[in-house]
Amino acid sequence: QVVLTQSPSASASLGASVKLTCTLSSGHSSYTIAWHQLRPEKGPRYLMKINSDGSHSKGDGIPDRFSGSSSGAERYLTISSLQSDDEADYYCQTWATGWVFGGGTKLTVL
Amino acid sequence: EVQLVESGGGLVQPGGSLRLSCAASGFTFSTYAMSWVRQAPGKGLEWVSAISVSGSVPYYIDSVKGRFSISRDNAKNTVYLQLNSLRAEDTAVYYCAKEEGHTTGWLYFGNWGRGTLVTVSS
Repeated sequence: QVVLTQSPSASASLGASVKLTCTLSSGHSSYTIAWHQLRPEKGPRYLMKINSDGSHSKGDGIPDRFSGSSSGAERYLTISSLQSDDEADYYCQTWATGWVFGGGTKLTVL
Repeated sequence: EVQLVESGGGLVQPGGSLRLSCAASGFTFSTYAMSWVRQAPGKGLEWVSAISVSGSVPYYIDSVKGRFSISRDNAKNTVYLQLNSLRAEDTAVYYCAKEEGHTTGWLYFGNWGRGTLVTVSS
């Protein structure tokens, strides 16, 4: 069964950029993943899905500041020009005849 | 604009029951499978249950089988989750989510509600 691994926390300064990583378990490097943002009191929001070749498609209304990329078994979410509103938990998710979530990364905007 | 609005959460004693509802709007509800996903305090997201477009095929995580029941009313654009025999470990925010990708075979959640809090405590 595929496992998604995320760092528990990340931080970056207001206006800077940050790159969050989701790592697919061995043997699953071709998998597509989706990124979701979970902000306090607002519920989750679908951001984008990222394929193994780095191509990605974003959800409706997701700003250009959010982008995705891929390298091997790693899928990245890059957020540029960080805003205080970006402080949230970020989860990656995939599908493998069952729903799989990563453990989430708590992003702090300094 | 797609909207999913959950309701029905609250404080319930162990062994008690609750019925969660999720009212959908802004899309053709009857053509999408729907899921419930929960987040326990201090924990990550956990898929709980899903239901097919017609409502004839439910799916559950093992820990809730026999206790939770999912259903939908396509005429009312609403999906339900009946929670019975509740345990302390069922305490969580429960989110309703719209499934995407069934035509390609790779699924993801394209839209989410804001959630409803279920607290199981004596």
